[in-house]
Amino acid sequence: NAGVTQTPKFQVLKTGQSMTLQCAQDMNHEYMSWYRQDPGMGLRLIHYSVGAGITDQGEVPNGYNVSRSTTEDFPLRLLSAAPSQTSVYFCASFRTSGFPNTGELFFGEGSRLTVL
Amino acid sequence: GDSVTQMEGPVTLSEEAFLTINCTYTATGYPSLFWYVQYPGEGLQLLLKATKADDKGSNKGFEATYRKETTSFHLEKGSVQVSDSAVYFCALSSGYSTLTFGKGTMLLVSP
Repeated sequence: NAGVTQTPKFQVLKTGQSMTLQCAQDMNHEYMSWYRQDPGMGLRLIHYSVGAGITDQGEVPNGYNVSRSTTEDFPLRLLSAAPSQTSVYFCASFRTSGFPNTGELFFGEGSRLTVL
Repeated sequence: GDSVTQMEGPVTLSEEAFLTINCTYTATGYPSLFWYVQYPGEGLQLLLKATKADDKGSNKGFEATYRKETTSFHLEKGSVQVSDSAVYFCALSSGYSTLTFGKGTMLLVSP
């Protein structure tokens, strides 16, 4: 029972490099999202997706790209890394039991990214 | 827009002490409310939830009651353990897919 799997767990980049954080879920959840966690800031939503082929911006989308070609996968791309993107990134998928939202957000274990 | 305000931490308690972590919210409509817990080095896990006014969520000895009149969802536990040391996040959802989180409150419990 894998749940939400994120890779890599740790990554060090140099300013200007690009990389992709991978996220996969095996629960057939329609909704997936990316958050970043910074000290004193809590969790901030970067991008989210309500289904394959549909994505939308969250609170802090600048510098990040996403796509959703399958239900299972929701990769987060950093096109040109900056030190301000040093953070812990969490992928989460959503189970709902109807509107309004009564479901549980399932989180991956996180990816710690350092940009030098 | 929606927002969640939590008391700042860290909250430092001795084992078997009573715990309260305050949470208030601002939202349109009638949101669902959640408490998530994050143990060191892990992702967040749902601790408890409440979906309508006066509902009480409970799990692992923790409780929180959805108070619409005071827009609050305070987390309580009668007797904390060292293993409860973690960061606790209050969150709300007034829509279909995204949650709004508070900044988190660190709890440190000493033996």
